[in-house]
Formats: sequence, structure tokens, C-alpha cells
Amino acid sequence: GNSVTQMEGPVTLSEEAFLTINCTYTATGYPSLFWYVQYPGEGLQLLLKATKADDKGSNKGFEATYRKETTSFHLEKGSVQVSDSAVYFCALQRSSNTGKLIFGQGTTLQVKP
Amino acid sequence: SAVISQKPSRDICQRGTSLTIQCQVDSQVTMMFWYRQQPGQSLTLIATANQGSEATYESGFVIDKFPISRPNLTFSTLTVSNMSPEDSSIYLCSFMSGRHNEQFFGPGTRLTVL
Repeated sequence: GNSVTQMEGPVTLSEEAFLTINCTYTATGYPSLFWYVQYPGEGLQLLLKATKADDKGSNKGFEATYRKETTSFHLEKGSVQVSDSAVYFCALQRSSNTGKLIFGQGTTLQVKP
Repeated sequence: SAVISQKPSRDICQRGTSLTIQCQVDSQVTMMFWYRQQPGQSLTLIATANQGSEATYESGFVIDKFPISRPNLTFSTLTVSNMSPEDSSIYLCSFMSGRHNEQFFGPGTRLTVL
């Protein structure tokens, strides 16, 4: 079946450090891939997306590249800030017709000054 | 982009009672969804709310426990019936929009059942 696996957290970094949060997926066909972010006490916000192989999604300094050969969509940022502290969810959408999103378990990022 | 809101934002309920959560979008959308996020867990889709027809439920969720209404293209409700402490979760609604059918989420309703 379809599934998403993220690296376990929490991930603790110092400000300005490089961030990688690993995400791999299992799906048939060509799903769309998403990263969502949940800041403390808030709802989910769409961070970035990629809809086909080799697409790179980017937003707010975050990037992720859709790698079909490794079935991965790792999230990266070159220099994190304290305000990036949040829970990050990787998700796939198997079919845009149904809209159903399948989420990974979430990775908590803590950035210390 | 459209704005999505939920009411109530949080509630504390007694076991055996029911709570109805409202979700409002400020523009017409075709597909709306209800998700559950149990404490410290990821999000799980409960059902897809279809306007003009019955909701489509995911495996493990049934209409008697989570009845859903979708009276028009901007509004939906989810009722959590006969609640138990295991129903304590954040319930989120979402809608699909955009060129690549992105989903946008409401702020969530934090439910605690005693």
C-alpha cells in the first residue's frame, strides 16, 4: 500500500545550522509529494510541493527534490532559525481525483539560539 | 487563497456526549476533508465530505460514530458521537484547491474527553 516514512525526531540544531529531514515513500504510479509544517499551537500549513520526478519544491529557504529512483523527498534548509522550530510532515497524494493525503509520522525540529 | 475556519477551537467534553465541529471556507470548494490527529501522532483521514451526497469514509471510521454533513460548497460539519477518552484528538478540516490540487487546512479543534 501507500505509505510515508520520516526520520524520527526530535531534531535539535543550533541557529544557522544545515537541516535535512529525510522522507521516503512507497506508492504505485506517480504521486504528488508535499511538506507541511505545524508551528506550536497552530494548524498545518503547506510548505512546498512537487508533482513529478525531479521537480524541486521550494519556499521560505526550504527545498525538497522529488527523487523517483530513491523514492525520496528529503527536506533541506541551508541555515535554520529559531522561528523554524515546528513539526514537519511529509505527505503523498496518490490521486488528485480523490485528494486523499497520506502523512508521515512527523518530525519535530528544535532550533536553539 | 481561500480562508478556512473551524469552531470551536477547543472543547472539553464528558464521555457519552457528542460534539459537532463546524468548518467554513470563504469560497466555494468541491472537496472537503476531515482528519484526526491523535496526541503526538500524525494525521489520519476520517472521510471526504461531498456536497450533495454522503461522505466517503476511510477504513476504520464509520458514519454512526462520525456523521458528516455538507449542505453547501462552503460548509461542513463533523460530529463525534458517544465520545470516549480515546476520541481525544485534534480534528482538522481541509479543502482542495489550486492547479495541483493542494490541500489547505483549518486551524483544528482540540477535543479532550474526560
